[in-house]
Amino acid sequence: GAGVSQSPRYKVAKRGQDVALRCDPISGHVSLFWYQQALGQGPEFLTYFQNEAQLDKSGLPSDRFFAERPEGSVSTLKIQRTQQEDSAVYLCASSLTGTEQFFGPGTRLTVL
Amino acid sequence: SQKIEQNSEALNIQEGKTATLTCNYTNYSPAYLQWYRQDPGRGPVFLLLIRENEKEKRKERLKVTFDTTLKQSLFHITASQPADSATYLCALVGTNAGKSTFGDGTTLTVKP
Repeated sequence: GAGVSQSPRYKVAKRGQDVALRCDPISGHVSLFWYQQALGQGPEFLTYFQNEAQLDKSGLPSDRFFAERPEGSVSTLKIQRTQQEDSAVYLCASSLTGTEQFFGPGTRLTVL
Repeated sequence: SQKIEQNSEALNIQEGKTATLTCNYTNYSPAYLQWYRQDPGRGPVFLLLIRENEKEKRKERLKVTFDTTLKQSLFHITASQPADSATYLCALVGTNAGKSTFGDGTTLTVKP
């Protein structure tokens, strides 16, 4: 398939563990976005890349959250010392133009 | 602070009728507004984009209006079908085509 893929689809972590969530965007898409979606709410912006440059990280909730896209393609969202409030679905989206965004299926993170 | 409100959490209509969903916003001057569809367990899917200087956009059975004076967008689905049942999200994007701010969505159920 040519869509955005995310792995793992489900992740259970014990409080205090570090997790890494992967996003494979559509080939050739310059822009990449990360969102956090709590149950019953809309996606909340975390961070945005254009190629390998992280242009906006204003939505990252704390310094425990870190995102990278070193070669301008695959991106990883890392959460250190996970806490229960980090439990959510993490969505990745990519875009060719920066306007229409193509979303992946998300990674559902549960922190126990 | 920026705020987006989508009308009622749930909307139930009969098949064949027109569904109208509302998106209101405050403290925001978006360059454009988007509507997405989200099914349970999946990422949002882009439907339509309307720019600040456009009043109306149509795509098949979908119509979007955008009133920057009222700070409101209306999303219409005509001749609704049970397959249209989903959560519909509106999103505002500023001039830098980066960060998107989403509403919490309206869940539409079309009954046969």
